[in-house]
Amino acid sequence: EVQLVESGGGLVQPGGSLRLSCAASGFTFSSYEMNWVRQAPGKGLEWVSYISSSGSTIYYADSVKGRFTISRDNAKNSLYLQMNSLRAEDTAVYYCARQAAYDAFDIWGQGTMVTVSS
Amino acid sequence: EIVLTQSPATLSLSPGERATLSCRASQSVSSYLAWYQQKPGQAPRLLIYDASNRATGIPARFSGSGSGTDFTLTISSLEPEDFAVYYCQQRSNWPTFGQGTKLEIK
Repeated sequence: EVQLVESGGGLVQPGGSLRLSCAASGFTFSSYEMNWVRQAPGKGLEWVSYISSSGSTIYYADSVKGRFTISRDNAKNSLYLQMNSLRAEDTAVYYCARQAAYDAFDIWGQGTMVTVSS
Repeated sequence: EIVLTQSPATLSLSPGERATLSCRASQSVSSYLAWYQQKPGQAPRLLIYDASNRATGIPARFSGSGSGTDFTLTISSLEPEDFAVYYCQQRSNWPTFGQGTKLEIK
């Protein structure tokens, strides 16, 4: 079964750090571009970051640039998001999403909740 | 940044009726538009990609149309499981999503 499973969410104070992980299974992870997408409580979807299949090309949304770092380990079939200098407005469910050949997000994880609060 | 505006914000219909959801882009995105369905507590599910192509396993009652700046998602005959929030998304440059249309039971 094709699957993405996120982990690493939790409660963190403003200014703190958190590292999210996304474990992939059921497909050749190293062949796919990957993304992180977040959703604040009761709000819509916001794209956060992209990484190419090799990891050589990376993009960020302006809202997280300079604070978040996306990475991947193809040997471990895993995607990561290092989040530093967290703010209250980063509170959201964070999803990892596989980018299909036609560039839409065809497989999503179940999400992991990040709460930034003192 | 390309802004996607979805309308209406809420659509109240009954099972068996036809649903028409709109997504308008602030500039042309060619046919690089996708539609997703999201139910409460669940991750989004891809329905349509490249404006009119159904994703794997999506029922034929879902169809997409449009190009440039104006797009439509049509559900030909609503089933009870179709009541959810629907998002459009463009990939012309970095991805952006519309604010969503909530399809609720009338």
